[in-house]
Amino acid sequence: GQNIDQPTEMTATEGAIVQINCTYQTSGFNGLFWYQQHAGEAPTFLSYNVLDGLEEKGRFSSFLSRSKGYSYLLLKELQMKDSASYLCAVIGDDYKLSFGAGTTVTVRA
Amino acid sequence: IAGITQAPTSQILAAGRRMTLRCTQDMRHNAMYWYRQDLGLGLRLIHYSNTAGTTGKGEVPDGYSVSRANTDDFPLTLASAVPSQTSVYFCASSDSLDRNEQFFGPGTRLTVL
Repeated sequence: GQNIDQPTEMTATEGAIVQINCTYQTSGFNGLFWYQQHAGEAPTFLSYNVLDGLEEKGRFSSFLSRSKGYSYLLLKELQMKDSASYLCAVIGDDYKLSFGAGTTVTVRA
Repeated sequence: IAGITQAPTSQILAAGRRMTLRCTQDMRHNAMYWYRQDLGLGLRLIHYSNTAGTTGKGEVPDGYSVSRANTDDFPLTLASAVPSQTSVYFCASSDSLDRNEQFFGPGTRLTVL
């Protein structure tokens, strides 16, 4: 089976940086996604990592270490609109996405 | 239409009733998926289809069925709804089998009483 772990909740101040960790134990590995989901809305794509290292996209960066089964999503210069759930998802050998339970980030003024 | 649409937006259903959730995409994606999202459990795959005419079971398929008669539509049917099927249901689609970036519909909030 697939096991994907991420913290349930995190709180940070506007303008700060937050790092959301994700660890996974899956049957094979073919890539890792991060999705953002605002309350009551659909998940939307943030980032994709398949090779080790850091992928940067504006204020958001995602890191992957395949040997450690570990990823993180880094959110910089936090804004109020970044308050949302962040979902870590891994593609296993069956090429289907397995999702973690999500991390709810609350940004405070 | 742009992207993925789902209908209905929300529904309250009596236990034992039959219900079909509709999903349509206009991106000509080959693969489509149905997930349910429950608090604390994240998104769980119910059924999927890699291409028109084929379907497969996901992590939690019991009590649900799907069909894929064409590329665009992927309905999910609950033959006899039970309260444990109360959830938010998301349909998704993807173009590439290996990268599998999935695009999600707006969701259907289903309550079974």
